[in-house]
Amino acid sequence: GIQVEQSPPDLILQEGANSTLRCNFSDSVNNLQWFHQNPWGQLINLFYIPSGTKQNGRLSATTVATERYSLLYISSSQTTDSGVYFCAVLKYNFNKFYFGSGTKLNVKP
Amino acid sequence: NAGVTQTPKFRVLKTGQSMTLLCAQDMNHEYMYWYRQDPGMGLRLIHYSVGEGTTAKGEVPDGYNVSRLKKQNFLLGLESAAPSQTSVYFCASSDRTNTGELFFGEGSRLTVL
Repeated sequence: GIQVEQSPPDLILQEGANSTLRCNFSDSVNNLQWFHQNPWGQLINLFYIPSGTKQNGRLSATTVATERYSLLYISSSQTTDSGVYFCAVLKYNFNKFYFGSGTKLNVKP
Repeated sequence: NAGVTQTPKFRVLKTGQSMTLLCAQDMNHEYMYWYRQDPGMGLRLIHYSVGEGTTAKGEVPDGYNVSRLKKQNFLLGLESAAPSQTSVYFCASSDRTNTGELFFGEGSRLTVL
């Protein structure tokens, strides 16, 4: 399988601060996604980003496939950003996604 | 376009009872997955399917059975529920003919007493 490591495991921010979450993976992949699990348990798709950079409002993500890592940037954090952020990768011949253990983010007002 | 829908959302069972969780997707996706998530933990793959009529074991398949009789539906069954199966269950689907992006349902919270 593929090892997926996320860092940091826990992060506490003051509202308005910026943060960077990292996802390292052990093999070449065909798909990489970032998810946000909100405090109500819903898993929300943030980015589909096997390579390159994407932005969506205050969030952006960059994947450097050749170096096997991805970064999720959160700018001007808000309390609604709290929750757990998961990175997941897929290699087609494995038929299943491999998830990191997540980064738990707590944004304080 | 509802995406991935799970029923029921909540269920309480007694030890030894059986039940079936239904996952339905309206995106014509080939691949479907069942995960469980225990409190404070990540997602663990139970079973998955790469197409109608196919199923395969994931990381934690014991105590569960699945069926994929129709492309849009993926059923997860517990034949004899145990307290260790208390968890939140997530269904997901992906379109491997396009980007392979994974989409989740809202989850089903199961408590086994």
